[in-house]
Amino acid sequence: NAGVTQTPKFRILKIGQSMTLQCAQDMNHNYMYWYRQDPGMGLKLIYYSVGAGITDKGEVPNGYNVSRSTTEDFPLRLELAAPSQTSVYFCASSYGSGRAIETQYFGPGTRLLVL
Amino acid sequence: GENVEQHPSTLSVQEGDSAVIKCTYSDSASNYFPWYKQELGKRPQLIIDIRSNVGEKKDQRIAVTLNKTAKHFSLHITETQPEDSAVYFCAATRSTSYGKLTFGQGTILTVHP
Repeated sequence: NAGVTQTPKFRILKIGQSMTLQCAQDMNHNYMYWYRQDPGMGLKLIYYSVGAGITDKGEVPNGYNVSRSTTEDFPLRLELAAPSQTSVYFCASSYGSGRAIETQYFGPGTRLLVL
Repeated sequence: GENVEQHPSTLSVQEGDSAVIKCTYSDSASNYFPWYKQELGKRPQLIIDIRSNVGEKKDQRIAVTLNKTAKHFSLHITETQPEDSAVYFCAATRSTSYGKLTFGQGTILTVHP
């Protein structure tokens, strides 16, 4: 198993550009998450999904969009990039079942610099 | 929503000493508390977790304690080694929250040989 994979590893964007951060998992996890980590800070939840076709906002969703058309993939879309979106983005997944909480596994991250 | 406070922000110890990191949470319904270790430039990796139905959990040199009444939980690392140097994050969530984690701000642990 590759686990959780993310592409690209690093990207530089100009202000106003758009891009899609890719995330995929091969563990058949139904729950998937996007977090951002600013320098010296903890992780903050951007969006999450509990299954294909079901997504919802997290703590810091402004400026982002997501979709979940398959169980495996959970891309994060940045529209009109701003310097405040400079961060490291982590995708995570877990097996969700009712009220059970399972371990979240993180991808290697995408480092984004907006200039 | 949940709020997690983590202290200290930095911790420096000598090899072989113990290290303790403490987190407090605000949501009394939170019932799952994981600890993640993040090495420089790497992804967070789970090192230990605890659920609200137990007060303590150990895994070799690492232990976590939970005080539900006071709403705080702590990570204890004994016999620290240089390879324990990393950033440690606590987090909290409740079982009705689809596993959405609220993280603390992180503790930079440095173990000096």
